[in-house]
Amino acid sequence: EIVLTQSPGTLSLSPGERATLSCRASQSVNSNFLAWYQQKPGQAPRLLIYGASTRATGIPDRFSGSGSGTDFTLTISRLEPEDFAVYYCQQYATSPPYTFGQGTKLEI
Amino acid sequence: QVQLVQSGAEVKKPGSSVRVSCTASGGTFSAYAISWVRQAPGQGLEWMGGIIPIFGTSSYTHKFQGRLTITADESTTSAYMELTSLRSEDTAVYFCARGRQIQGKYFFDYWGQGTLVTVSS
Repeated sequence: EIVLTQSPGTLSLSPGERATLSCRASQSVNSNFLAWYQQKPGQAPRLLIYGASTRATGIPDRFSGSGSGTDFTLTISRLEPEDFAVYYCQQYATSPPYTFGQGTKLEI
Repeated sequence: QVQLVQSGAEVKKPGSSVRVSCTASGGTFSAYAISWVRQAPGQGLEWMGGIIPIFGTSSYTHKFQGRLTITADESTTSAYMELTSLRSEDTAVYFCARGRQIQGKYFFDYWGQGTLVTVSS
C-alpha cells in the first residue's frame, strides 16, 4: 500500500500570495495516477487535479499540479479568499485500496 | 449535471448495522464505479471500498473485510453501503463518490453530500 505524506500540515498565507503544497509517496506512483481534492468545512471533497497535472472541469487556472514518481506539488498561484480549505492528495496507481494523504490545511 | 444524493443521518447503537444509499442522476450510472469514503470527526479521508455496477464486482479495503457490503442497483441508479457490528470508532461522515476510469484506475470526480453516522449507546 502506498502511503502519502503531505506537508506542511498547516499553511498560513494571505490572499494574493502563492501557495505550494507537497505530497510525497512511499513508493513511485506509476503513470502519475495522482489526484488533488479541496474540502471546505461541512462539504464534500471537490476534485481539482487528476493525472498529477490535469485540471478537472471548471477548476480555475490558478490551480496547477506537477511532479512525478514520488514527489508531487499543488500550486495555487494567487490565493483567493475562497481557496482557504483543506487539500488532500490521493493515489490511484496501485488500487484498491486507494489512499489519501492526511491533508494540508490552508488558512489565512 | 451529475448529482449523487445520499440518504439522511443515522444514529445507531453499538453492535447494530447501518445502510446508506447513494442515488445518481445526470450520468450513465453503469459506466462508472462508485466508492465509499469515510471521514471521522476532524480527521482525513479513508477509502472503504467500491463497486463497478456494470460488472457487479465489489472490492474492499482489508480493514473492513467481513463488516462491509457494497451493492448497486442499476434500475434505480443507486449504490448502497452496509456496515455491520458498528462500534463508536465508526462514527463518521460517509461519502459516496463516482469513480472515473483512466486505464482501469479510478479517481473521484463527483461526490455525494455525505451522511453522518453516529454510533452511540
